[in-house]
Parts: sequence; structure tokens; C-alpha cells
Amino acid sequence: GAGVSQSPRYKVAKRGQDVALRCDPISGHVSLFWYQQALGQGPEFLTYFQNEAQLDKSGLPSDRFFAERPEGSVSTLKIQRTQQEDSAVYLCASSLLEGANSPLHFGNGTRLTVT
Amino acid sequence: AQSVAQPEDQVNVAEGNPLTVKCTYSVSGNPYLFWYVQYPNRGLQFLLKYITGDNLVKGSYGFEAEFNKSQTSFHLKKPSALVSDSALYFCAVRDMDSSYKLIFGSGTRLLVRP
Repeated sequence: GAGVSQSPRYKVAKRGQDVALRCDPISGHVSLFWYQQALGQGPEFLTYFQNEAQLDKSGLPSDRFFAERPEGSVSTLKIQRTQQEDSAVYLCASSLLEGANSPLHFGNGTRLTVT
Repeated sequence: AQSVAQPEDQVNVAEGNPLTVKCTYSVSGNPYLFWYVQYPNRGLQFLLKYITGDNLVKGSYGFEAEFNKSQTSFHLKKPSALVSDSALYFCAVRDMDSSYKLIFGSGTRLLVRP
């Protein structure tokens, strides 16, 4: 497909479980972003990769959140010991270039529900 | 620090009427501004951007936005609304200090009634 692909589409986890969310960016896109969107809110930045380098992780809410992009393509967002406040939609976005001009292309997100 | 504000939680218009969704920004330096639309259970779709140049920017689906430096605003407009335009709209500014990430407003729900 031509767009950003995220899986799974929906994830239900019991409190305390670990989860892994996958993002396949558009092929060739250098920049990759993860966002967290709570119900009725705007997306909040979590972390940013340029190729395989994680250049900004200032938005990760705690050390339970970890992201990687080992080969500069697919990225995984991992949440350890999930809590109810982690329930949200997690959006991945990629852009062709690094820089202000390059629009972000978003996936459809993974809706995480922690029970 | 960069930020945007969307003062309206919801905008209601009748089909065929013009629509405006408001956005104001606060940046240090030149603003890089964007509008995105989100349909239910979908990701965000890019509508348009302002980087430099003409204050009136044209985008997808007949939308346009007017950049006003003196009022620090970037309002989204469309001359004639469609029912299918009903969605959640987000204004965003590019963070020029760090990673070029987008910083989003809280969103405005547009409801176009037939």
C-alpha cells in the first residue's frame, strides 16, 4: 500500500501487560513520529526518528514507553506494564524529508484499551 | 515555545453555506502552519500548509486558509460546505526548535447539516 500502515488496529490489554504497536511508514520516508491521542483531544507528540536514530523522545510519558526503528524503516512502540491512563489511540506518521516543509502522513492508528 | 489554539470545540453550518474554523498561533520566528482533518476511526489527513508567500493558501477538497500575521491567525475556510465535510479539524504548527514535530491544537468538530 501507499500509505502508513499500523497494526494491530485495536488492542485490548489487561493492566500490567506489555504491548507492542507496529508502524510501517511510507517506503523511503526518512522521518517517523509517534503520537498519542486521548479521546476528544489533539494528538500529543511522543517520539521522533530520523532513519534509525531516535533524535527526540521528550514526549514519552514514562520509562514504561520505549520505541525503536532498528533498520530505519518499521518502528515499534512498546509499552510495559500498561496502566489505564495509557488507553488512547497511538498514531504513527512519516515524512519524506527532515524539515519544516515536508508534511506528515498519518496511519489510521492503534486504539489501545487497558482494562 | 510554539503553540496553537482552536477556540471553538464545535462549529455548526448548513450545507451550502460558507464555513470558518478558527486557529491562532504563538511562535518564535516564522510560523509553519498546517491543517489536518480526521474522520471517525481514521488517522489525520493533510489539508494544506502555510510556509511563506501568499496569505491565502489553497488545499485539498476545496478548503483554503488565510494567514494573518498581525492577528496571528490561520483560519480554515470553505465557500460552500458539504455534509461530507463533517469531521474533526486540527490546526498545527511545526516546532522549529526541536525535531520539526507538529504541535496540534485541541481540535474543532465541524458539523454540516443537510
